[in-house]
Amino acid sequence: QVQLRESGPGLVKPSETLSLTCTVSSGSISTYYWSWIRQPPGMGLEWIGYVYYSGGTNYNPSLKSRLTISIDTSKSQFSLKLSSVTAADTAVYFCARDRGDAYDYDYWGQGTLVTVSS
Amino acid sequence: QSALTQPPSASGSPGQSVTISCTGTSSDVGGYNFVSWYQQHPGKAPKLIIDEVSKRPSGVPDRFSGSKSGNTASLTVSGLQAEDEADYYCSSYAGSTYVVFGGGTKLTVL
Repeated sequence: QVQLRESGPGLVKPSETLSLTCTVSSGSISTYYWSWIRQPPGMGLEWIGYVYYSGGTNYNPSLKSRLTISIDTSKSQFSLKLSSVTAADTAVYFCARDRGDAYDYDYWGQGTLVTVSS
Repeated sequence: QSALTQPPSASGSPGQSVTISCTGTSSDVGGYNFVSWYQQHPGKAPKLIIDEVSKRPSGVPDRFSGSKSGNTASLTVSGLQAEDEADYYCSSYAGSTYVVFGGGTKLTVL
């Protein structure tokens, strides 16, 4: 059973960079696509972007200018960096495995709340 | 505002059937057979319950079924049970925009 776990600061100041890491266990990271998805409090889901095990990426156009997603297969981890954050970036951030061929997410982390506030 | 439109709420009594709609455009729902549905209980991560419009992943009860007609996809929950009370989200492949989600529907079991 593949397991994913997000880690990183729960509080980020406005204009700074939000950084999160997802650790994958009980399964290989060296295949599939690995995505970040967020959910503002009381709202719906938003796809942020993905990284392929080879390092290729695809980002949500609305976030692309502020976003970097990377992967470290030796550590079975992939990471998210979102710069110049504002209160609108406050959300629960999920990492998830994207099956690729069906454009859906079969394994998810438990999610981590990141609050943007001074 | 979410890319796909879902009713904010739905409800039914135990044993009844409920259908939740998900309306998009020809650029997403109507253009591809890659509609998925997720169930999310409070404080938990979403769980994939339907993929590729109507396929059930292993372990998902056959009470859950999916379909699509034109730009609208639907999730039907038959034989409602108390544990089905949750939020439900649809998603669709959307070409260059990759994946878009609906705003979610809160299902209440009366």
